[in-house]
Amino acid sequence: DTAVSQTPKYLVTQMGNDKSIKCEQNLGHDTMYWYKQDSKKFLKIMFSYNNKELIINETVPNRFSPKSPDKAHLNLHINSLELGDSAVYFCASSQESGGTSFGPGTRLTVT
Amino acid sequence: AQRVTQPEKLLSVFKGAPVELKCNYSYSGSPELFWYVQYSRQRLQLLLRHISRESIKGFTADLNKGETSFHLKKPFAQEEDSAMYYCALKAGTSGGYQKVTFGTGTKLQVIP
Repeated sequence: DTAVSQTPKYLVTQMGNDKSIKCEQNLGHDTMYWYKQDSKKFLKIMFSYNNKELIINETVPNRFSPKSPDKAHLNLHINSLELGDSAVYFCASSQESGGTSFGPGTRLTVT
Repeated sequence: AQRVTQPEKLLSVFKGAPVELKCNYSYSGSPELFWYVQYSRQRLQLLLRHISRESIKGFTADLNKGETSFHLKKPFAQEEDSAMYYCALKAGTSGGYQKVTFGTGTKLQVIP
């Protein structure tokens, strides 16, 4: 299946821990993104990678760091997790023409 | 700078009533506009794009460059239309890449 996949689907962890969320797309898209969706369902872009180069960082705390080992992967690392980081994180990808394809989301709960 | 505004956080309508989800954008050039839908606990998925000029699940949206709007409309709401709807704008930047900007979303609630 051609799609955007991300793991894990659910992540429950304690404050102060470091965690990672993985994302892979096999659509051959050039640009990948990470979005944060809060409890009110507001969608906020966090990062955008185009051909392995970070091109957008929307005032996200530096505890969050994207890592792109290749064009098909964009992982999200989060250090020193805080309660306010609890949200659903969506990975997405797009090509120059066409819409954006989203992953299934990772529901992060920080306790 | 690109900006997408969805002024309504929540829109409640009765089944069978017309629906209009508002979207206004800010961009100096010629953008590409999209609507995405997210059903409960599912991923966002593309609903329609303005260049296709198509109707999906009874929804249509017309790009009005004069009013910089891309409102989503459906003449008769169905219960299964209840979901979050996001308007998005895609346009080129001075750096030569395409940037996608999403609105904050509108929750559509169709009352039986």
